[in-house]
Amino acid sequence: EAAVTQSPRNKVAVTGGKVTLSCNQTNNHNNMYWYRQDTGHGLRLIHYSYGAGSTEKGDIPDGYKASRPSQENFSLILELATPSQTSVYFCASGDRQGVNNQAPLFGEGTRLSVL
Amino acid sequence: GEQVEQRPPHLSVREGDSAVITCTYTDPNSYYFFWYKQEPGASLQLLMKVFSSTEINEGQGFTVLLNKKDKRLSLNLTAAHPGDSAAYFCAVSATGNYKYVFGAGTRLKVIA
Repeated sequence: EAAVTQSPRNKVAVTGGKVTLSCNQTNNHNNMYWYRQDTGHGLRLIHYSYGAGSTEKGDIPDGYKASRPSQENFSLILELATPSQTSVYFCASGDRQGVNNQAPLFGEGTRLSVL
Repeated sequence: GEQVEQRPPHLSVREGDSAVITCTYTDPNSYYFFWYKQEPGASLQLLMKVFSSTEINEGQGFTVLLNKKDKRLSLNLTAAHPGDSAAYFCAVSATGNYKYVFGAGTRLKVIA
């Protein structure tokens, strides 16, 4: 069964600390995405990837880095966490557009609080 | 780049009533359109998808209408029930653009 798994599910971090959010997909999808969700903004794209070794900036990349070491794994890194990065983060994976007309599949989300 | 405006942000209807959520987008090359449902504290689940030209898709008590001339996508619920209470998001992407732009969401509350 297609799955996107995020870890941790909840995280409390201190301002200035480093945070790594991990995402694993078993769907053999080429594309992976990191979004954050805040009330009133819907989902906003932070970084995305076309495949292993590639990362691309999304619409709000400042303060975030991404890493795609393999087809299955895509990480989001906050080198110096700030309270403004308190949010719910969603990872998603998707096939190439036009392949099976599939929509991106989402993980369960990570709730991050930066104090 | 693509911008998506979703209306209304909040919607409250009585059980059995209809509900309409609308998204307007800016990129005329937009080709892939999705609706997601998100229950409180949960992930996004695909509700419906529609592609290409003007189409009507139906399923799960919902109808999706795409009007490419007006660049408008709507989700119509014909007879709401309390289990439909959730947040709904539209997502839009252009061909060859791997980015999916989401609307800000509509929080639907169905009152029994």
